[in-house]
Amino acid sequence: GENVEQHPSTLSVQEGDSAVIKCTYSDSASNYFPWYKQELGKGPQLIIDIRSNVGEKKDQRIAVTLNKTAKHFSLHITETQPEDSAVYFCAVSNYQLIWGAGTKLIIKP
Amino acid sequence: ETGVTQTPRHLVMGMTNKKSLKCEQHLGHNAMYWYKQSAKKPLELMFVYNFKEQTENNSVPSRFSPECPNSSHLFLHLHTLQPEDSALYLCASSQDLGGSSYNEQFFGPGTRLTVL
Repeated sequence: GENVEQHPSTLSVQEGDSAVIKCTYSDSASNYFPWYKQELGKGPQLIIDIRSNVGEKKDQRIAVTLNKTAKHFSLHITETQPEDSAVYFCAVSNYQLIWGAGTKLIIKP
Repeated sequence: ETGVTQTPRHLVMGMTNKKSLKCEQHLGHNAMYWYKQSAKKPLELMFVYNFKEQTENNSVPSRFSPECPNSSHLFLHLHTLQPEDSALYLCASSQDLGGSSYNEQFFGPGTRLTVL
């Protein structure tokens, strides 16, 4: 079955700097790649997603890139702000979502 | 109420107790999910319901018993739990099954369960 690995488990960046979180997957049939953000005391919330026929997608300060050949995709956050502090999860789907273990992003003032 | 709500938010129970978690979605979705979230581990899908019918049971122990009386409500009945069952239990809903933006999963805030 599908296996999703997410790195790093914790990421600490200075406010204003960029953050990059990477996920790798094993099933080449997977075709949908969402990223969810979980703030303290809340459930995860979708922030951006990408389909397998697209290499990159941007939404203001966040972007996702996909390399289907290498089976990895990444979340990029530019100009980080304190409200970006949260746990970020990648997921992979052919039909059912398979989740990564999460990355705790800490924004240092 | 909007979105997905879960009650209670916190629950402490002994190993011999019986309790129930409740989830309600106000989004008109057809699919509902129970997940278990443990620290530094991927979300573990437990059960999936689509149009009130259970479609997935990912080898969950029988001490967890789901119930879906209608498309808006989902329950997780708990009995004779173990300390390792302590975790955050998340409920989610989506328009339908399948991985796509159309079927974005909307999560409730979760129930923090502690088994003593």
